[in-house]
Amino acid sequence: AQSVTQPDIHITVSEGASLELRCNYSYGATPYLFWYVQSPGQGLQLLLKYFSGDTLVQGIKGFEAEFKRSQSSFNLRKPSVHWSDAAEYFCAVGLNTDKLIFGTGTRLQVFP
Amino acid sequence: EPEVTQTPSHQVTQMGQEVILRCVPISNHLYFYWYRQILGQKVEFLVSFYNNEISEKSEIFDDQFSVERPDGSNFTLKIRSTKLEDSAMYFCASIVLRGEQYFGPGTRLTVT
Repeated sequence: AQSVTQPDIHITVSEGASLELRCNYSYGATPYLFWYVQSPGQGLQLLLKYFSGDTLVQGIKGFEAEFKRSQSSFNLRKPSVHWSDAAEYFCAVGLNTDKLIFGTGTRLQVFP
Repeated sequence: EPEVTQTPSHQVTQMGQEVILRCVPISNHLYFYWYRQILGQKVEFLVSFYNNEISEKSEIFDDQFSVERPDGSNFTLKIRSTKLEDSAMYFCASIVLRGEQYFGPGTRLTVT
């Protein structure tokens, strides 16, 4: 069965530090890959997506992610975290044109 | 920029009552989805809808749930007899044909 794993439940970083959030998926082919961010009590905002082509994708708010087929990974990165980046981050896998399968999320806390 | 809208933002209902959650997808989109997120948990797929019929549903989407596109703009999720465990945030999403799903802001359902 298809699945998405986000091994880090909670990450704490200092403002200005670099960030990497991990995501691994299990799927028989290359799926569509997404990262969403959710602030408390809010909806889901798309940070970036990968469909095909260049394996390093740029998103909003200075985020980027790299698709590594050999590792079935799609890790999210940001070189310098801002206090406003504190939120819950979800990796998701899209299967053809249908449902998204979400990971369990990583809660990011940023210290000043 | 077009967006998916959902009403109400918060619905409180008593156990056993029927609720209807409403969504207005982006006008030229063809596929529609409902997801739910129990507090503190990951986002889970409920159902996808295309060409006026359900294309896929999860095991969560039992006989108590139904979806409908009653006119050219609305997409509704009905829970016939709510249970305490139906308390969650419900997200509607839509897509043109392939790629990024656009999510609405969600409806928080509280069953007492």
